[in-house]
Amino acid sequence: QVQLVQSGPEVKKPGASVRVACKASGYTLTGYYMHWMRQAPGQGPEWMGWFNPNSGGANYAQKFKGRATMTSDTSINTAYLELKRLRSADTAIYYCARGRTLWFGETLTYFEYWGQGALVTVSS
Amino acid sequence: DIQMTQSPSTLSASVGDSVTITCRASQSISSWLAWYQQKPGKAPKLVLYQASTLQTGVPSRFNGRGSGTEFSLTISSLQPDDFATYYCHQYHSYPYTFGQGTNLEVK
Repeated sequence: QVQLVQSGPEVKKPGASVRVACKASGYTLTGYYMHWMRQAPGQGPEWMGWFNPNSGGANYAQKFKGRATMTSDTSINTAYLELKRLRSADTAIYYCARGRTLWFGETLTYFEYWGQGALVTVSS
Repeated sequence: DIQMTQSPSTLSASVGDSVTITCRASQSISSWLAWYQQKPGKAPKLVLYQASTLQTGVPSRFNGRGSGTEFSLTISSLQPDDFATYYCHQYHSYPYTFGQGTNLEVK
């Protein structure tokens, strides 16, 4: 069965970087797009971008361009999200979610499989 | 960006009631809308996609309608497990956007 297991909670100071891991099981990472969302306390999810683990290509929401980087290590079936220059407004739960198969494309994607979330707290 | 506006923000109901949550998109998204249920400390769970298609395993008391800019989620004969926060999500175009949520609470 498909599972996405994320890394544990992180506490960072403003200006630092954080990397969140998302280990996939039950399928091959390179066969599907991976999307990242975040959810601040009391708010709806916010889409951050998608990543193609086969090509290394990515599409970031404008808000995160230049600050977010999505990568993967296909040898361990794991995707990563790095966010730099953290500020207090980045405090949120970060989720990975599996997208469509590569042959379908990155469009028209709803999310059936989600990671359990990783809490990132930014505080001085 | 397409704005998704849900109403109400909070809905109080009892077991056995029927409730409706609405979601409005700031521009037409055809039927590219999903609904998720989220419980505290958990990831969102897919309930419906393409506005009205029930995800496998979701009870038939969940019903979705709408197209264009106006959508609704109706839950009939509420069960204790249904009390949660519900989000709509447009996947018509990037950046994908979500509603702010409707908290369905016990009256």
